[in-house]
Amino acid sequence: EIVLTQSPGTLSLSPGERATLSCRASQSVSSSYLAWYQQKPGQAPRLLIYGASSRATGIPDRFSGSGSGTDFTLTISRLEPEDFAVYYCQQYGSSPTFGQGTKVEIK
Amino acid sequence: EVQLVESGGGLVQPGRSLRLSCAASGFTFDDYAMHWVRQAPGKGLEWVSGISWNSGSIGYADSVKGRFTISRDNAKNSLYLQMNSLRAEDTALYYCAKDNGRWLSELFDYWGQGTLVTVSS
Repeated sequence: EIVLTQSPGTLSLSPGERATLSCRASQSVSSSYLAWYQQKPGQAPRLLIYGASSRATGIPDRFSGSGSGTDFTLTISRLEPEDFAVYYCQQYGSSPTFGQGTKVEIK
Repeated sequence: EVQLVESGGGLVQPGRSLRLSCAASGFTFDDYAMHWVRQAPGKGLEWVSGISWNSGSIGYADSVKGRFTISRDNAKNSLYLQMNSLRAEDTALYYCAKDNGRWLSELFDYWGQGTLVTVSS
């Protein structure tokens, strides 16, 4: 099983600031089958990024993903009020697993 | 608009059974694999099971293998999860999720709002 470790656990930032979230895998993620999801309180997760760097339908371009192998990053260029949420990374294509989540909170 | 509506959750005693359903609309159901993903209260996400478009390929997490059975009825645009021998650690919000493709790519592009299963005596 591929274990995904996200850091930091909590990120305290102000609207307009840049957010950088990390996801590290215990072994290489094949073909960059790495996705990012956003979850707001009381809501289902929403797909943001797949294939490590491709934005899902309707996702604003302030969200970007990068990385390969075992190290991946989600960047939110300028935080909007609606971006404060929990973010999960997930590897797929090999018995899917999720990271434990990073909470982006308002400072 | 893709819609996934789960039902069937509730309070159940340890060792008993429960069947979850997911009604799908807004897309061609039999063109896509489907999954169940759960989230224990205050915790992260855990993939439970997935089924390909034609039920020809099925997968389970080790934590539920042998106890849970996934199935689908393409004529009814519905996904199911039969849960037997339930344990306290199965307590969670169970989401129905649509796969990005016909087979188990395991990329979840749409999610329902979930149905809560509580296992307690």
